[in-house]
Amino acid sequence: GAVVSQHPSRVICKSGTSVKIECRSLDFQATTMFWYRQFPKQSLMLMATSNEGSKATYEQGVEKDKFLINHASLTLSTLTVTSAHPEDSSFYICSATTVSYEQYFGPGTRLTVT
Amino acid sequence: QQQVKQSPQSLIVQKGGISIINCAYENTAFDYFPWYQQFPGKGPALLIAIRPDVSEKKEGRFTISFNKSAKQFSLHIMDSQPGDSATYFCAASNAGFQKLVFGTGTRLLVSP
Repeated sequence: GAVVSQHPSRVICKSGTSVKIECRSLDFQATTMFWYRQFPKQSLMLMATSNEGSKATYEQGVEKDKFLINHASLTLSTLTVTSAHPEDSSFYICSATTVSYEQYFGPGTRLTVT
Repeated sequence: QQQVKQSPQSLIVQKGGISIINCAYENTAFDYFPWYQQFPGKGPALLIAIRPDVSEKKEGRFTISFNKSAKQFSLHIMDSQPGDSATYFCAASNAGFQKLVFGTGTRLLVSP
C-alpha cells in the first residue's frame, strides 16, 4: 500500500508556543490530504480537508486561526498548532488519498503541551 | 444520516476463532467502505475495502460482507490470532467527496 509519513512522531512544547507537524506522501502524489485528531480510546475526528494549492476546508468547530494548514505540494501538507495550550494535547494523524480514493494514514504525532 | 454505527464496542475471541464486527449506515450515497486496523500509538492501517457492486471481498483471513439493501457491512477475521488484537474502525465515504465517516471502533482482544 501507499506510504504516508509524519514528522515529528512526538513533540512536547510549552504553553503559548507553536508547533508544526509535517505530513508527506512518500510514493504517490496526493491532491487531497486530511488532518484528524484522536483522543484516547475514541474514534478519529476530522479537523480539515487540505487540497494542494488551495485553502483548507475546516470542519465545524475547528478554529482555522489556531490550526493552520498548508498544502504547498502534491506530497506535503503541514499543520501548525498556534499558541498551543494543554487542551490541544492530543494525537494528530494525517491521511492522503490516492487516485483510486483509497485513504492512507500517517503514523500520527503525539503532541503534549505543558 | 452521516453516521456509521459500529458494534460491538469490544470483543474477546479465542485464538483460532472468528471475529465479527458489524457496521450500518444511512446515507445511500456512500459508495466506498473501508476497514482500518489501529494499534495503540499508531495510525490506522487500511485493511480491506469494498464497493457496493460486490457483496463480498476476501483478502487472506479478512473478509468483508456487504448487504446493500440492509445498508450493512461486516468484517470477518478468520482464524483470529493474538497479533490481530487491535482496534478496528469501519468507515464509509462518497468517492466524490472522499471524506471518510468513521464508526466508533471495536477493540478486539484475541486470547492465546
